[in-house]
Amino acid sequence: KAGVTQTPRYLIKTRGQQVTLSCSPISGHRSVSWYQQTPGQGLQFLFEYFSETQRNKGNFPGRFSGRQFSNSRSEMNVSTLELGDSALYLCASSLTGQGNTEAFFGQGTRLTVV
Amino acid sequence: KNQVEQSPQSLIILEGKNCTLQCNYTVSPFSNLRWYKQDTGRGPVSLTIMTFSENTKSNGRYTATLDADTKQSSLHITASQLSDSASYICVVSGRSGSTLGRLYFGRGTQLTVWP
Repeated sequence: KAGVTQTPRYLIKTRGQQVTLSCSPISGHRSVSWYQQTPGQGLQFLFEYFSETQRNKGNFPGRFSGRQFSNSRSEMNVSTLELGDSALYLCASSLTGQGNTEAFFGQGTRLTVV
Repeated sequence: KNQVEQSPQSLIILEGKNCTLQCNYTVSPFSNLRWYKQDTGRGPVSLTIMTFSENTKSNGRYTATLDADTKQSSLHITASQLSDSASYICVVSGRSGSTLGRLYFGRGTQLTVWP
């Protein structure tokens, strides 16, 4: 059974550009959540999607957006990149995102903004 | 405010020794508590998951405990190995309302095992 796949693994962008990251969850999983990880802040919740609907959202500016497709694949977009957006972006998939359902993480996308 | 705090921030132990990592949380309503291991530059991997009704759960050399009354958890690692060097992250899952579908993360304990 394939795990959670994130693409690309590494990205270098310049300030002001926009970027789209992709996450393919485990087959059958309908919940996808996104996290930003930096050395100073640790893992911070961005948003969670379930059945193509954003169900929960963290405290990030509107430059961070996402969507989920009918096949549960999810994309995250960051517009007008800032140096502080440099981070490891992780997505996690789970069956329902509720209760005791296990969350499986991808390997992450390392974004560097220069 | 829903928070998860871990201690110590970092820990160095010798190979073969045991250690215990701590986690305190204020997330409410609470669904379950998980411990993850994260190697540098990689995604977290689940070690244990416990509901509020469970007091302890083991996974090989890893044993997690949970006291839902005091909102504290610990992860005990026995007979440490060099491959245990990683960040250990305590994660609490919300159950409903604004916490539904959301994981709350501690900042992790960076464990280094020396030969």
